[in-house]
Amino acid sequence: AQTVTQSQPEMSVQEAETVTLSCTYDTSESNYYLFWYKQPPSRQMILVIRQEAYKQQNATENRFSVNFQKAAKSFSLKISDSQLGDTAMYFCAFMKRGGADGLTFGKGTHLIIQP
Amino acid sequence: EAGVTQSPTHLIKTRGQQATLRCSPISGHTSVYWYQQALGLGLQFLLWYDEGEERNRGNFPPRFSGRQFPNYSSELNVNALELEDSALYLCASSLAGGDRSYEQYFGPGTRLTVT
Repeated sequence: AQTVTQSQPEMSVQEAETVTLSCTYDTSESNYYLFWYKQPPSRQMILVIRQEAYKQQNATENRFSVNFQKAAKSFSLKISDSQLGDTAMYFCAFMKRGGADGLTFGKGTHLIIQP
Repeated sequence: EAGVTQSPTHLIKTRGQQATLRCSPISGHTSVYWYQQALGLGLQFLLWYDEGEERNRGNFPPRFSGRQFPNYSSELNVNALELEDSALYLCASSLAGGDRSYEQYFGPGTRLTVT
């Protein structure tokens, strides 16, 4: 079984700052995917970014990028030029190849962007 | 393109009753996943349906069941409701097959309250 750990229950930064959310995972699988999901107060879960374990290059999506360290089993999310709309719960998630066990989520980090 | 839809938005039941939750995936998606987001327990994988078949289930009792219809929509049934079943139930859909099949897109959820 795999586990996902997010050690920061809550973070608060000023608008336009850069913030990094931490995530570590544990698995014996060699083929898997990692994701960051955002859940705003409206509660709809939104996919932010994904990373295939077999790819060494870190994924980026506009202001969002990840630092994937496979050997350390670390998968952090960096948000650049943070905006008020980035305020949300952020969940790190793991899925092994095949998807049979669905997504395994961390407990989440509540990110607050202050004006 | 319409996203994943779920109904009802809210559902209030009494202990011992049955609840039925519905999910319509994104057009073209054939896989449907169900998750429970309970306070204090985080997000947990419940069930996975693909091409009309139940492919796997998480660590939940048999009173959690469901089905997937020929149009790929899905239904989650919870029998003999218990107070601890109160949670947000999220449905997610994904393409079957191919690299992008591991991206799951979530619906807004159904808030189930058991009294």
